[in-house]
Amino acid sequence: DTGVSQNPRHKITKRGQNVTFRCDPISEHNRLYWYRQTLGQGPEFLTYFQNEAQLEKSRLLSDRFSAERPKGSFSTLEIQRTEQGDSAMYLCASSLPGPVGNTIYFGEGSWLTVV
Amino acid sequence: AQSVTQPDIHITVSEGASLELRCNYSYGATPYLFWYVQSPGQGLQLLLKYFSGDTLVQGIKGFEAEFKRSQSSFNLRKPSVHWSDAAEYFCAVGARQTGANNLFFGTGTRLTVIP
Repeated sequence: DTGVSQNPRHKITKRGQNVTFRCDPISEHNRLYWYRQTLGQGPEFLTYFQNEAQLEKSRLLSDRFSAERPKGSFSTLEIQRTEQGDSAMYLCASSLPGPVGNTIYFGEGSWLTVV
Repeated sequence: AQSVTQPDIHITVSEGASLELRCNYSYGATPYLFWYVQSPGQGLQLLLKYFSGDTLVQGIKGFEAEFKRSQSSFNLRKPSVHWSDAAEYFCAVGARQTGANNLFFGTGTRLTVIP
């Protein structure tokens, strides 16, 4: 068990460019989550997968954001036409199936800076 | 809808002193409750969680938290703080309702430890 792995850890991009982040969850976890955290705030839920199915999306996830989990293992989060307001840390997390009370384990996050 | 309030943005304590971080939640029933810790630039690590049963919950690193239904609170405590405890602490709630799959976080409390 190597934990939730995210890469790249840091990304600096120019406004208008596209970026993609990858998340590898804990191997036996079939649930995968994406959160966004801006400076001075707590994490905010973006979206959630159970296996390859994207079951829930927050209103924070605008049309420029797309998340996939094609084989029910790793996931990608793509941001198109980045804006300065997208600068944040993007956290991936995973958990076992069951009620939300199951512990959600977080990765170390991917920092995005849009200049 | 759930919400979490952490009234203290920043707390400073001396090493060896006791600590209490406050967390109040808003939810129509008893939620799942969590405390996470985040070191600078890192992801979140689970300290402890409350699902049901004993309202005093023990966690890692010598932390404990007490669920008080009458006060809608889940305060985190530690009897003697170590310099390595300096970090950001987040309280989070999860709904028990079927289909609820994410956590709502407070804005965090930053802990500074003075030698």
